[in-house]
Amino acid sequence: GNSVTQMEGPVTLSEEAFLTINCTYTATGYPSLFWYVQYPGEGLQLLLKATKADDKGSNKGFEATYRKETTSFHLEKGSVQVSDSAVYFCALRTNNDMRFGAGTRLTVKP
Amino acid sequence: GAGVSQTPSNKVTEKGKYVELRCDPISGHTALYWYRQSLGQGPEFLIYFQGTGAADDSGLPNDRFFAVRPEGSVSTLKIQRTERGDSAVYLCASRSGTDYTGELFFGEGSRLTVL
Repeated sequence: GNSVTQMEGPVTLSEEAFLTINCTYTATGYPSLFWYVQYPGEGLQLLLKATKADDKGSNKGFEATYRKETTSFHLEKGSVQVSDSAVYFCALRTNNDMRFGAGTRLTVKP
Repeated sequence: GAGVSQTPSNKVTEKGKYVELRCDPISGHTALYWYRQSLGQGPEFLIYFQGTGAADDSGLPNDRFFAVRPEGSVSTLKIQRTERGDSAVYLCASRSGTDYTGELFFGEGSRLTVL
């Protein structure tokens, strides 16, 4: 079945540091890939997505590239801010089946 | 409303009681999902509706859980004979039509605590 494995947290970085959160997937068919973010006290919201191989999703300085050859969708940001502190979830969808990873908590210190 | 609305936001109940959790999706969204999120975990799929019918209920953990969506809009997740292990945040999400690449919009969740 479909599944997502993402880097365990928590991750603690200083402001302006480079961020990578790894995500790999197993899926039948051709999944769409997503990163969702959950800020403290808020609901899950879409950060970025990619719907086919080699697509790059980007938003708010975050990027992730859909790599079919390595079945990965790693999240990166060149310079994190304190306001990026949140829990990040990698997810995949094939047809109507949407599955999430366990989440990675990021804390950015000033 | 503008977003997905879930009520109650918090529910505390005793073991063995019956609980209903309500989800009001974004107007016009035909696809509706229920997920369960335990502390420190990602959302775990429970059930998916397309319109009024449950297209996939493979994530429901046992027969104490069931969900309805009688008019294709509001959905209710029902839990019978609650157990302490049912304590979690129950998330509802909706999506527009059959756009399989479309975004899921999540509510803020209903936190269930079973004492």
